[in-house]
Amino acid sequence: EPEVTQTPSHQVTQMGQEVILRCVPISNHLYFYWYRQILGQKVEFLVSFYNNEISEKSEIFDDQFSVERPDGSNFTLKIRSTKLEDSAMYFCASSGAGSFSEAFFGQGTRLTVV
Amino acid sequence: SQQGEEDPQALSIQEGENATMNCSYKTSINNLQWYRQNSGRGLVHLILIRSNEREKHSGRLRVTLDTSKKSSSLLITASRAADTASYFCATALIYNQGGKLIFGQGTELSVKP
Repeated sequence: EPEVTQTPSHQVTQMGQEVILRCVPISNHLYFYWYRQILGQKVEFLVSFYNNEISEKSEIFDDQFSVERPDGSNFTLKIRSTKLEDSAMYFCASSGAGSFSEAFFGQGTRLTVV
Repeated sequence: SQQGEEDPQALSIQEGENATMNCSYKTSINNLQWYRQNSGRGLVHLILIRSNEREKHSGRLRVTLDTSKKSSSLLITASRAADTASYFCATALIYNQGGKLIFGQGTELSVKP
């Protein structure tokens, strides 16, 4: 069964460093998303991406963050100059033919900023 | 209160019993989706119910939606220890074409063997 895959599963980085989280969405999906979940808290929307551009972003998604679809399969989230409060589980998701269809999530990347 | 609030926050039942979790929301939705999350793991999509639907079934899962009360419920029948997880509702707002989901705080379900 098709699934969203994320790498790495766990990333530890020094404060101030840049990280790139990678995702391979389901191949025929058109809408891509990043969410994050700080430990013990609810899942928060970061950004949605469609037709090679950002369609919506949250207040969390400031200039520190960027997304890219560098080729036909990968979808990346870059966090520049990481802060301690960026430590969280980051989830990639994709949905299919319409934006109002099921969103399927990857297993997540646990980012720890030290 | 926030869009997508679940209750109860925690629920502990015996294997074989039914578990009911509720979700309320504030703003008109296109659809509502339920997800399961095992501790520290990814989100597993369970079921999507659209605003023009009132009830959906999938295996041991039954979801209802009452748009007049802006609420949904997830019923798991004949629960098993493997159902132990956190369950989240997530709403897709009617005016939001980008497909963004707003998640609730979740219900932590514990099924004791």
